[in-house]
Amino acid sequence: AQSVTQLGSHVSVSEGALVLLRCNYSSSVPPYLFWYVQYPNQGLQLLLKYTSAATLVKGINGFEAEFKKSETSFHLTKPSAHMSDAAEYFCAVSLQGGKLIFGQGTELSVKP
Amino acid sequence: ETGVTQTPRHLVMGMTNKKSLKCEQHLGHNAMYWYKQSAKKPLELMFVYNFKEQTENNSVPSRFSPECPNSSHLFLHLHTLQPEDSALYLCASSQDRNGEAFFGQGTRLTVV
Repeated sequence: AQSVTQLGSHVSVSEGALVLLRCNYSSSVPPYLFWYVQYPNQGLQLLLKYTSAATLVKGINGFEAEFKKSETSFHLTKPSAHMSDAAEYFCAVSLQGGKLIFGQGTELSVKP
Repeated sequence: ETGVTQTPRHLVMGMTNKKSLKCEQHLGHNAMYWYKQSAKKPLELMFVYNFKEQTENNSVPSRFSPECPNSSHLFLHLHTLQPEDSALYLCASSQDRNGEAFFGQGTRLTVV
């Protein structure tokens, strides 16, 4: 069965520092993988997606993620954190039929 | 692109009330979903509709009753809810194949 594990329920970085949010997945077939962001009292917004094309995926707001099959990972990075990046981030894997399975989420805090 | 719209944004209801949540998408998608987001829990997929037909019910209690009259509209009818049903209810839509889901802003439900 497919599943997603996000390491660290809370990550804190300083403004301007590297952001690294970790995601590992398990899937019996080549997966589609996604990162979503959720700001307080809002729905989820797609940051980026991997659909078996390039392994390094660039998304919105300067985020990118690299698909590593050997490590079953899809970690999210951003070179320099901004205060506006503070939010909750969800990694998800897509099953047949478009159904998404989400990780538990990682809350990102950005300190001035 | 008007995306996915959910109404109401906030709802407070008593345990004996009957209410409905509405979701509308103008993206031409074929699949629609209801998710439940509770504090400190992963997003839980509740129902999946594909071309107006329910294709998945993840053991959701019968006090939640979905309705999908067409591919653009999805309802969640609520009756005799419990306080533990208080959560953010998110609607999403997608084209079937690639699993990229677009989310509404959610309805914050409080059961008193």
